[in-house]
Amino acid sequence: QVQLVESGGGVVQPRRSLRLSCAASGFTFSSYAMHWVRQAPGKGLEWVAVISFDGSNEFFADSVKGRFTTSRDNSKNTLFLQMSSLSAEDTAVYYCARGQYASGSYYYDYWGQGTLVIVSS
Amino acid sequence: DIQMTQSPSSLSASVGDRVTITCRTSQSINTYLNWYQQRPGKAPKLLIYAASSLQSGVPSRFSGSGSGTDFTLSISSLQPDDFATYYCQQSYSAPYTFGQGTKLEIK
Repeated sequence: QVQLVESGGGVVQPRRSLRLSCAASGFTFSSYAMHWVRQAPGKGLEWVAVISFDGSNEFFADSVKGRFTTSRDNSKNTLFLQMSSLSAEDTAVYYCARGQYASGSYYYDYWGQGTLVIVSS
Repeated sequence: DIQMTQSPSSLSASVGDRVTITCRTSQSINTYLNWYQQRPGKAPKLLIYAASSLQSGVPSRFSGSGSGTDFTLSISSLQPDDFATYYCQQSYSAPYTFGQGTKLEIK
């Protein structure tokens, strides 16, 4: 069965960096674009980034552009989110999600359980 | 960027009620509109994709409609499990924005 498992969250000081991972299993990882979505405590969902199936293209929300990068290792079925220059506004649960095309539409059919990032001194 | 306006932000209803949540986009997105359910402490779960297609395993009391800029999610007969927060999302173009969410509470 499809599984996405995030890791790497924790407490980090402002202006520092952190790398999140998302381990995928149960599907052909290299065939799917992957997304990051975050949710600040008590707030709604915010789309963060997408990386194409082969890692050749990325796109970011304005709120993280220039500070976050994504990458993937298709040989290890793992997705990464490298976050730098972190601030309190980046405190959130970070989810990875699989992008799926079907019926002329595009949606996230599988999500990880999320990993919590707390930016605090 | 495409802006999403979801309403209401909260809704109080009883088991057995029919409820409707609406989502409006700032520009036409054809039917590139999805609905997710999120329970506290859990990841979102896909309910409806392509505006009206029911995701496998989702009960038929959930339905979606709309195209262009106006969309609705309806739940025909609320069950205890349905009290959660619901989000719309456009997948027409990046950034793939979400609505603000609708918290459905028990009356």
